[in-house]
Amino acid sequence: SQKIEQNSEALNIQEGKTATLTCNYTNYSPAYLQWYRQDPGRGPVFLLLIRENEKEKRKERLKVTFDTTLKQSLFHITASQPADSATYLCALGKLIFGQGTELSVKP
Amino acid sequence: SAVISQKPSRDICQRGTSLTIQCQVDSQVTMMFWYRQQPGQSLTLIATANQGSEATYESGFVIDKFPISRPNLTFSTLTVSNMSPEDSSIYLCSVEKSVREAHTYEQYFGPGTRLTVT
Repeated sequence: SQKIEQNSEALNIQEGKTATLTCNYTNYSPAYLQWYRQDPGRGPVFLLLIRENEKEKRKERLKVTFDTTLKQSLFHITASQPADSATYLCALGKLIFGQGTELSVKP
Repeated sequence: SAVISQKPSRDICQRGTSLTIQCQVDSQVTMMFWYRQQPGQSLTLIATANQGSEATYESGFVIDKFPISRPNLTFSTLTVSNMSPEDSSIYLCSVEKSVREAHTYEQYFGPGTRLTVT
């Protein structure tokens, strides 16, 4: 069956550093992949969508890469801030969501 | 973008009863989606609600348990019927909006309805 795996452990980093989150998938060849941010008690917020023919996409301090050979997407937050602390979800289309990685940025 | 509201935001219900969750969007959208997110779990798509036709349910979800209405392009309801404690979850409404200039789309979620069944 189709499956997404994200870092199951929480990621703790210092303010100003770059946070890198990983999303691996199996048994699937997605046309696109999305990343969302979810704060406690809130619905997910769309961040970026990257297509299979795009290697990299940027939006302000965010960068997403998509390697269809490795079946992996990396999500980077540069110059991280405490306000970036949240759970980040990757998803393949509308159907398959990862469990999310909790990011904590310490001042 | 799309602004989505859901009612109720939370509820505690007794087993065997039913709860109807409302989803309102601030603009017309073709497709609306209903998800469930159980504690510590990822989102699971329940069904896609299209205006003017029956909802399309994903594997493991049936209309008798989760009837959906879609009377117009800005509103939908999801009913959780004959509830049991296993139905305790957050239920999320979602819509898709195309971004024509980028030939892509963005997906927006409501704030969710936290349901506890006792």
